[in-house]
Amino acid sequence: QQQVKQSPQSLIVQKGGISIINCAYENTAFDYFPWYQQFPGKGPALLIAIRPDVSEKKEGRFTISFNKSAKQFSLHIMDSQPGDSATYFCAASKTTRTGSARQLTFGSGTQLTVLP
Amino acid sequence: KAGVTQTPRYLIKTRGQQVTLSCSPISGHRSVSWYQQTPGQGLQFLFEYFSETQRNKGNFPGRFSGRQFSNSRSEMNVSTLELGDSALYLCASSAAFDRGGRGRGMKETQYFGPGTRLLVL
Repeated sequence: QQQVKQSPQSLIVQKGGISIINCAYENTAFDYFPWYQQFPGKGPALLIAIRPDVSEKKEGRFTISFNKSAKQFSLHIMDSQPGDSATYFCAASKTTRTGSARQLTFGSGTQLTVLP
Repeated sequence: KAGVTQTPRYLIKTRGQQVTLSCSPISGHRSVSWYQQTPGQGLQFLFEYFSETQRNKGNFPGRFSGRQFSNSRSEMNVSTLELGDSALYLCASSAAFDRGGRGRGMKETQYFGPGTRLLVL
């Protein structure tokens, strides 16, 4: 059961353009939504994360937009650079009863290519 | 601080063998989670350990097991390897707290290691 659907599968943008990646979730118990960036040969690295009590969070060129009623959230990369070329994963998780680390449910990933 | 380290980085095994992968979390982190990454299934949660106890487990067969030591280092073991076990195995550490303990709150961020690439022939 895929609980987090991510699109598009691949994305090509010109340098300086805006990259937009979308995710939709099903489980209304999810209360934490991080985005990870992964380069070849590396593990995923946290980019930015949001909780459902806010509709938008911005960190530098990266912005998460969150629509709780639609159960959707998206990542916007402003002024995209060739160095942003990587695979991006959205994820979602819920607070655990035990209080231990969150179990992340990942989207399928988006391969972003930024052309120079 | 040093990041999450995983050993070995690459491994080739044959069907039926077993394998043990190791993960050293960031100093001070007590929670270690394991994920499997494949082109077909993406990133899937295997299990999480905190204070030497398995706290959460994903939907994987019993051939996948793990443990955590008192220094928070963790190992995962896969027995009777199958071709479909070929994957990148990622370890993530976080400074999660036990709400029943003295710590307050829960640290959200999980820091991933570079992974161990396992190829089963």
